[in-house]
Amino acid sequence: DAKTTQPTSMDCAEGRAANLPCNHSTISGNEYVYWYRQIHSQGPQYIIHGLKNNETNEMASLIITEDRKSSTLILPHATLRDTAVYYCIVGVPNAGNMLTFGGGTRLMVKP
Amino acid sequence: DAGVIQSPRHEVTEMGQEVTLRCKPISGHNSLFWYRQTMMRGLELLIYFNNNVPIDDSGMPEDRFSAKMPNASFSTLKIQPSEPRDSAVYFCASSFPDRGNSPLHFGNGTRLTVT
Repeated sequence: DAKTTQPTSMDCAEGRAANLPCNHSTISGNEYVYWYRQIHSQGPQYIIHGLKNNETNEMASLIITEDRKSSTLILPHATLRDTAVYYCIVGVPNAGNMLTFGGGTRLMVKP
Repeated sequence: DAGVIQSPRHEVTEMGQEVTLRCKPISGHNSLFWYRQTMMRGLELLIYFNNNVPIDDSGMPEDRFSAKMPNASFSTLKIQPSEPRDSAVYFCASSFPDRGNSPLHFGNGTRLTVT
């Protein structure tokens, strides 16, 4: 059973903001939202995570709705190197960080 | 920080042969995970260790698969005998859950081809 739902693919113009949505309507109160990405031929890379507040780091921003049933990952100025598969995952940190990866969104940044 | 180190990067072997994949987690991380990735099934968690002890191996597909973590800095995933359907990219990841929301750090994987 998938805990998250993401679009299969998205396109974004280079230099523009990439907004990647994720639905997690069955999220539990103690589950966090994690985002990873996987660039071709590499291992998944951690991007950001949050519980209920919006979060920002040097890579991206994470916007979580008030009811926590959905979130959006924002790459403010997408570059060609941001082309990757982006995974939205929910999980409980202290449960051994066991995270189940779904199909993700394939983001293609175009010049 | 050298990151999670996996070896070999590529492995090609014949059906029936034993295959051993190796992983060195990030120093200080006390949780280690083995994942397998294929086009058909995506990323699947095979087994998870905490403090060198296997906690959940429910994702290990068959008895042909075994994993060990003899110490905090080394783990192996062994397939014996290997079969063509084992062909996949195998990833190792580590984390430090005792430090709150420690994310997973992945290695760059071992691409296994069984002919």
